[in-house]
Amino acid sequence: ILNVEQSPQSLHVQEGDSTNFTCSFPSSNFYALHWYRWETAKSPEALFVMTLNGDEKKKGRISATLNTKEGYSYLYIKGSQPEDSATYLCASSMGNTDKLIFGTGTRLQVFP
Amino acid sequence: EAQVTQNPRYLITVTGKKLTVTCSQNMNHEYMSWYRQDPGLGLRQIYYSMNVEVTDKGDVPEGYKVSRKEKRNFPLILESPSPNQTSLYFCATQLRAGPFYEQYFGPGTRLTVT
Repeated sequence: ILNVEQSPQSLHVQEGDSTNFTCSFPSSNFYALHWYRWETAKSPEALFVMTLNGDEKKKGRISATLNTKEGYSYLYIKGSQPEDSATYLCASSMGNTDKLIFGTGTRLQVFP
Repeated sequence: EAQVTQNPRYLITVTGKKLTVTCSQNMNHEYMSWYRQDPGLGLRQIYYSMNVEVTDKGDVPEGYKVSRKEKRNFPLILESPSPNQTSLYFCATQLRAGPFYEQYFGPGTRLTVT
């Protein structure tokens, strides 16, 4: 059974701090890794879909890296702002299927 | 505007009273799925559909039914709801089947079964 783990479970940072968190997944039979941003009372929104070992993606102050050999991805937020407060979900594919297995998320709170 | 809509957004019901949660998308996506979100657990897939008239079970299908008669709609049916189906439900769509496509989520339906 594919197990996707995210750490830490929650994180509190000050405005302006940079932060990062981890998504771990089984490296065998890997196909894709997704990151989603989920604000309270809203729906999850896609940040990145990553497929290749060594892949790096960036969207504004948020970036992600992928290591498929060791089975982890990092999400970085540079200069955190209060509007970055959200739960960040990662999900990994189960073989070459459309099924995504989601982690439980990292809840980020950025204090002004 | 591209969107996924769900109705109702909130529902409180009683055990055994059949209900339907609707999901509709205007993006002409082939693939649609339903998830439930429970505290301490990741999103779990209930059912999915790869296209019209093609549906299949996800990880937690017990107690649920779905149909896909039109491309844009994918209703979730609880024939006889029970308290363990109290949860936050999300409909999601993606362009087509496969792990490389990002998912678009609806706004969620918070269901309470007493």
